[in-house]
Amino acid sequence: GDSVTQMEGPVTLSEEAFLTINCTYTATGYPSLFWYVQYPGEGLQLLLKATKADDKGSNKGFEATYRKETTSFHLEKGSVQVSDSAVYFCALSLVGYSTLTFGKGTMLLVSP
Amino acid sequence: NAGVTQTPKFRVLKTGQSMTLLCAQDMNHEYMYWYRQDPGMGLRLIHYSVGEGTTAKGEVPDGYNVSRLKKQNFLLGLESAAPSQTSVYFCASSPHEGEGNQPQHFGDGTRLSIL
Repeated sequence: GDSVTQMEGPVTLSEEAFLTINCTYTATGYPSLFWYVQYPGEGLQLLLKATKADDKGSNKGFEATYRKETTSFHLEKGSVQVSDSAVYFCALSLVGYSTLTFGKGTMLLVSP
Repeated sequence: NAGVTQTPKFRVLKTGQSMTLLCAQDMNHEYMYWYRQDPGMGLRLIHYSVGEGTTAKGEVPDGYNVSRLKKQNFLLGLESAAPSQTSVYFCASSPHEGEGNQPQHFGDGTRLSIL
């Protein structure tokens, strides 16, 4: 079946450090890929998405590139802020299906 | 600009009690979903609906029932609550257009404890 694997957290960084959160997937079809972010006490919000190979999704300084050859969608940010502290979820959906398959989430903690 | 609204936000139940969680969306979305979030498990799909009057099972449907009598509402029921159903429950919705490409919009969750 379809699955998403994320690096385990927590990831602890100092402000202005470079961030990478790894995400790999297995899918029976051709997926769209998403990163969602969950701030404490809130629901999930879409951070970025990519719908085909080599697409780069970007938002709020975060980027992720859809790599079909390595089945990966790693999240990166050049300079994190304290306000980026949250849980980040990688997810996929297959074309023609509305349901999402989520990774287990990676907690990011950024200290001043 | 309400989006997806979940009611209640918190609830404590005793084993064997029943309750219904309500989800309402004001974006005219066709699709609606119920997830549960447990530590270290990510989000797991319980049930979903692709339109008014339809429901389908997700990954972990046992012990839950759902109904979608109106397009804007999606109800999740626990007939006989068990401690294993202690979790945070999230509702989400998404539009029909571009199936698989459209993001889901989430509510803020219902924290449910079963004693």
